[in-house]
Amino acid sequence: DGGITQSPKYLFRKEGQNVTLSCEQNLNHDAMYWYRQDPGQGLRLIYYSQIVNDFQKGDIAEGYSVSREKKESFPLTVTSAQKNPTAFYLCASSTQTSGANVLTFGAGSRLTVL
Amino acid sequence: GQQLNQSPQSMFIQEGEDVSMNCTSSSIFNTWLWYKQDPGEGPVLLIALYKAGELTSNGRLTAQFGITRKDSFLNISASIPSDVGIYFCAGQETSGSRLTFGEGTQLTVNP
Repeated sequence: DGGITQSPKYLFRKEGQNVTLSCEQNLNHDAMYWYRQDPGQGLRLIYYSQIVNDFQKGDIAEGYSVSREKKESFPLTVTSAQKNPTAFYLCASSTQTSGANVLTFGAGSRLTVL
Repeated sequence: GQQLNQSPQSMFIQEGEDVSMNCTSSSIFNTWLWYKQDPGEGPVLLIALYKAGELTSNGRLTAQFGITRKDSFLNISASIPSDVGIYFCAGQETSGSRLTFGEGTQLTVNP
C-alpha cells in the first residue's frame, strides 16, 4: 500500500542534542512538507520541498534543517538551536488534484526534550 | 502566513447529535479541504471541494464550499464515539500555492 512512513514514533532527546526525524513516501509525490503541532494548536509549516535537491523555509524554520536528496525521502533535523523542540512533528506529501495541493500525512513523530 | 478562522475551537456533544463547524477567510480560495486527526495520529483527508457552491458528502459527513469562496462548512450527522478527534479545514488561494490550515475544532462525543 502507498503511504508515508515516519520514524521514530516517539523520541526523547537531551537538551543540546541534534535529532533527525525520518520521512519516506512511496506515493511518487513530488512535493513534501514538515509541520509542527503543539497541544491545542494548528499546524505550522517548517520546511517544504517541491522537487529533489530544492527546499524552502516555511513559517517557523529557525532551528531546523532538511535535505531532499531523493524523491522518496525528506528527513528533518531538529538542531540544538531550536529553543522549544518538544512537539508533534508531521510529514506530508502532495500531488496536484484538480489544481489543488491535496496533502497526505504520515502518522507523526512525537519529540520530547528532557 | 495567512490564518483561517475556524470555529468553534471545541465541541462537547452527546452521541447521536449533529455537529456543524466552519472556516472563514479574508481571501478568496479556489480549494477547501477538510481533514480529521485522531489522537496521536496524522490528519486524514475527509472531503475536498473545488468549486464555489459545491456540496459534497462522505457518509455522515457533508461539506460545502461557500458561494463567496471565503468560507466552508462541515456537518456531521448522528455523531458516534469514533467521531472524536480534531477537524481541520485547509484552503488554497491559487493553483500551486501553499495550503493554509485552520486552528482546528476539537470534537468530544459522549456515549
